[in-house]
Amino acid sequence: AQSVSQHNHHVILSEAASLELGCNYSYGGTVNLFWYVQYPGQHLQLLLKYFSGDPLVKGIKGFEAEFIKSKFSFNLRKPSVQWSDTAEYFCAVTSNFGNEKLTFGTGTRLTIIP
Amino acid sequence: GAGVSQSPRYKVAKRGQDVALRCDPISGHVSLFWYQQALGQGPEFLTYFQNEAQLDKSGLPSDRFFAERPEGSVSTLKIQRTQQEDSAVYLCASSQRQGASSTDTQYFGPGTRLTVL
Repeated sequence: AQSVSQHNHHVILSEAASLELGCNYSYGGTVNLFWYVQYPGQHLQLLLKYFSGDPLVKGIKGFEAEFIKSKFSFNLRKPSVQWSDTAEYFCAVTSNFGNEKLTFGTGTRLTIIP
Repeated sequence: GAGVSQSPRYKVAKRGQDVALRCDPISGHVSLFWYQQALGQGPEFLTYFQNEAQLDKSGLPSDRFFAERPEGSVSTLKIQRTQQEDSAVYLCASSQRQGASSTDTQYFGPGTRLTVL
C-alpha cells in the first residue's frame, strides 16, 4: 500500500521568506504526485501535479515542486512567500495501476506573518 | 455547475441517528470520490464511482456506511446508526476521467462537517 509523509506539521514564516515543504512517499511502483492547498474557509484545490517528464513542475501562484525518484520525495517550494499563502498544504499520490484514489499526507499548516 | 457542491455544509446528529450527505459533482464528470477528513488529518479515501458503478469501496470503515450514485451524477453517502468516531468532514471530489485516469485532477467540494453528539 502507498503512504505519504509530511514531516512539517506547522511552519511559520515571515513574508518574503523562502519556503520548502517536505513530502515523502512510500510505494514500489510508478506514482503520480500532487500538491493540494486549502485556504482558510475554502475547499481543497490543486496547486500542481507530476506524472511524467520534467521532474521540476511549476504550478499556480509561483509554487513549484521537484520529483526526486531516488529519494521518494516531492518537495514543494516557493522563493518568496506572501501573507495570502497562509493555508494548509497536502501532498498526495495515486498509483499508475488504474487506481484513481488519492492517498494524502497529514498536511502542513503554513502561517505567514506580515 | 461551476464546481462540486455538497449539502448540508454542517450536520449535527445524535448518536444512533442516520444521516445522508449529498454531493453534486461537476457536470459531465465521470468519476466521483468520497473522502473522510478527521480533525488534524489528511483526507482518507472512502469510495469511488465511475458513472453509476461503485468500483472501489475499500475505504468504507464499516457496514454502517453506504454510498450510491444511481444515475451517474448526484451521489449520496449514508451513515447509519452514527457513532462519535464518525465525526469528521466528508469531502466529495469529481474528475473528468480523460486518458490515464490516475493523473486526472480531482476537484473537491467544500465538504460536510458532521458532528455526532
